[in-house]
Amino acid sequence: DQQVKQNSPSLSVQEGRISILNCDYTNSMFDYFLWYKKYPAEGPTFLISISSIKDKNEDGRFTVFLNKSAKHLSLHIVPSQPGDSAVYFCAASLPGGSQGNLIFGKGTKLSVKP
Amino acid sequence: EAQVTQNPRYLITVTGKKLTVTCSQNMNHEYMSWYRQDPGLGLRQIYYSMNVEVTDKGDVPEGYKVSRKEKRNFPLILESPSPNQTSLYFCASSLLAGLGGTQYFGPGTRLLVL
Repeated sequence: DQQVKQNSPSLSVQEGRISILNCDYTNSMFDYFLWYKKYPAEGPTFLISISSIKDKNEDGRFTVFLNKSAKHLSLHIVPSQPGDSAVYFCAASLPGGSQGNLIFGKGTKLSVKP
Repeated sequence: EAQVTQNPRYLITVTGKKLTVTCSQNMNHEYMSWYRQDPGLGLRQIYYSMNVEVTDKGDVPEGYKVSRKEKRNFPLILESPSPNQTSLYFCASSLLAGLGGTQYFGPGTRLLVL
């Protein structure tokens, strides 16, 4: 049973436009949500996170929105750049470091075309 | 430089031949974890460790062993590798488990079991 879902395996966007990556979750106990970015032949790197008590967190070109009632979060990248082309993983964690686990979605491959 | 290192980066082996993938972090992190990444399945946790001598199973522990004798090292052991363990493996560490504790990932180890 997949608790974190990224239903779009890929997304293609023109440079300069907005990229919107979506993530849905089923466990209402998750208290933190994170986005990781992964380039080929490298490990995932942390991008941005949001606590469940917030609905928005912004860091430069990256903004994450959380809609708890819909159990949905999204990552907005504005403006998109070719260097943003990567696989983006949504992840969630449980309170108190339960199991210490990050539960990952399957990832969305973003392609930003010049 | 703060980092998580893994060795080897690439490994080809045969069924049944014991192997160890090493993982080391220089950030004094308490929490360490192993993930495997497979096409269409995203990142799945194999084992994790909350501190020295404290390890526990993740979502897909079968066929793997770990040990945490020192804070900085967390080797992954495959006692009798099988072809279904062909995968891309990532080690990760974080200062805290949960609480949105950002996990830092190693560069990955690509394993092929013939």
